[in-house]
Amino acid sequence: GAVVSQHPSWVICKSGTSVKIECRSLDFQATTMFWYRQFPKQSLMLMATSNEGSKATYEQGVEKDKFLINHASLTLSTLTVTSAHPEDSSFYICSAPGLAGGEQFFGPGTRLTVL
Amino acid sequence: DAKTTQPTSMDCAEGRAANLPCNHSTISGNEYVYWYRQIHSQGPQYIIHGLKNNETNEMASLIITEDRKSSTLILPHATLRDTAVYYCIVRVAGGSQGNLIFGKGTKLSVKP
Repeated sequence: GAVVSQHPSWVICKSGTSVKIECRSLDFQATTMFWYRQFPKQSLMLMATSNEGSKATYEQGVEKDKFLINHASLTLSTLTVTSAHPEDSSFYICSAPGLAGGEQFFGPGTRLTVL
Repeated sequence: DAKTTQPTSMDCAEGRAANLPCNHSTISGNEYVYWYRQIHSQGPQYIIHGLKNNETNEMASLIITEDRKSSTLILPHATLRDTAVYYCIVRVAGGSQGNLIFGKGTKLSVKP
């Protein structure tokens, strides 16, 4: 099946710094990618939809100025957590739709810890 | 997308079949049933999907009732590596149809 990678797999940063997370579709092109966040013992919650060549669309309650999304190419979307705070510590996961069938392919996730 | 109801948790003995139920009584005619699973600290993994016919692949079988109001995911010979949270999701097929909405899923524990 199609492969989606994320980098880094984990990151620890100080409060107030910015962190960039990359999501790549390795063997297929994705005009749309999705960013999810998952807190401990909870389910995945959609944060935003990343669209190649246009602005991302954010879910209600997600600050677009804090979570910057750039979908610069058909295989790369980036999520930048700006001025990170401890409450932003979470597991961030991206996904991309497959070419057919409706299934989505998920990255392995990025564990962010803000001290 | 239609709402789904799954048991919170289930146990299964290693080597036995794991049968995970899902209720989706408000499913629409053009909505598919998708199953994903998430092993601890990993991204979700696609398992299988179907519309109304039973489906089988190398990972699992999907049995959908004739009225399509419920379905069962079957792992024929569960192994310890199948321990994960399993999500049943109902949605219209098509890659551009939008994101997946995850419920709480069923936490399957496969025990030796």
